Amino acid sequence: NAGVTQTPKFQVLKTGQSMTLQCAQDMNHEYMSWYRQDPGMGLRLIHYSVGAGITDQGEVPNGYNVSRSTTEDFPLRLLSAAPSQTSVYFCASSYSPGTSGITDTQYFGPGTRLTVL
Amino acid sequence: KQEVTQIPAALSVPEGENLVLNCSFTDSAIYNLQWFRQDPGKGLTSLLLIQSSQREQTSGRLNASLDKSSGRSTLYIAASQPGDSATYLCAVDAYAGNMLTFGGGTRLMVKP
Repeated sequence: NAGVTQTPKFQVLKTGQSMTLQCAQDMNHEYMSWYRQDPGMGLRLIHYSVGAGITDQGEVPNGYNVSRSTTEDFPLRLLSAAPSQTSVYFCASSYSPGTSGITDTQYFGPGTRLTVL
Repeated sequence: KQEVTQIPAALSVPEGENLVLNCSFTDSAIYNLQWFRQDPGKGLTSLLLIQSSQREQTSGRLNASLDKSSGRSTLYIAASQPGDSATYLCAVDAYAGNMLTFGGGTRLMVKP
């Protein structure tokens, strides 16, 4: 299993550009989520999904869009990049909480370091 | 709103020392609590997960305890090694939806 994979690892954008951060998992996890990590702010939840076709907002959703058309993939779209979106972005996945015999542990990808100029 | 605090923010100890990292949370209505390790420039690796009905979990030299009523968890690392140097993050899941609220982390350095 590759686990949770994220691409790209690094990205530099200019203000106003759009892009999509890719996240994929091969563990057949129902739950997937996106976090951003900023110095002094810790990790904060952007969007999450409890299954294909179902998404919802987290703590800091403004400026980001998500969709979940398959179980494996959960891309994060920046519509019009702003310097405030400079951050490290992490994707995570897990089984549905409370699934019998399965741990609720979350698995994180290696992150995408994004700089917006 | 759930808030998670970790003390200390940074810790430096000599190799071989036993140490305790602290995590506190403001709302005791949690589903589970997880401890993660993060190495510089890397993702998060889950170390231990404690369900709300449990009091502690152990893995090798690591032991995590949970006291829901007081809103506290501790991560105990026995016989620390230089390879334990990393940032340790505590995270609370309050809604059984894996929507984690993270603490700011404790940056640990173990000196040879």
